[in-house]
Amino acid sequence: GAGVSQSPSNKVTEKGKDVELRCDPISGHTALYWYRQSLGQGLEFLIYFQGNSAPDKSGLPSDRFSAERTGGSVSTLTIQRTQQEDSAVYLCASSLGAGFDTQYFGPGTRLTVL
Amino acid sequence: AQSVTQPDIHITVSEGASLELRCNYSYGATPYLFWYVQSPGQGLQLLLKYFSGDTLVQGIKGFEAEFKRSQSSFNLRKPSVHWSDAAEYFCAVGTGGGNKLTFGTGTQLKVEL
Repeated sequence: GAGVSQSPSNKVTEKGKDVELRCDPISGHTALYWYRQSLGQGLEFLIYFQGNSAPDKSGLPSDRFSAERTGGSVSTLTIQRTQQEDSAVYLCASSLGAGFDTQYFGPGTRLTVL
Repeated sequence: AQSVTQPDIHITVSEGASLELRCNYSYGATPYLFWYVQSPGQGLQLLLKYFSGDTLVQGIKGFEAEFKRSQSSFNLRKPSVHWSDAAEYFCAVGTGGGNKLTFGTGTQLKVEL
């Protein structure tokens, strides 16, 4: 079956602009995660959605970052007023349920802020 | 706070040789541990995971890992490496009910033919 998909695969933007990154999880997966992979910080947890529960936003680095998940499926990560330090690969993952169900990762979106 | 240390940034092995990638964790409770592999241009793929029970866990692609509580370690092993194993390997600890993964900085594996 289809895995986790992310779009766009690459995004180049200018400092100060807003960007939206999209994630389509595996069908039927109730949990969705965003991570960031950068040279300076490695792989970092950003946010976690589980069903209709309030998301765990504890990993978001600043209030410029937000995410939503519509209809319990597709998720959008929005970065407002992008900064150069936001340049990274943004990875989305989904799992069947909560807890320690295996997280399946998408290919990522490479964001470059000029 | 939890943390994961992968002390080897790069490792080079010859094809057919054995492999051990080191991982040490710091976590106050019973750890939930994972190894992921990331091949060039590919997403992260789970190799294996440990929750409880037998401390030696088997994964995909012939990999295994052993949990040693006394050493706070979860080292990944493979008896005979194949050229296709060249990739970056990440150890992770699951916290917060398992849903947040804290990753190590990764070990880049190069396989010499």
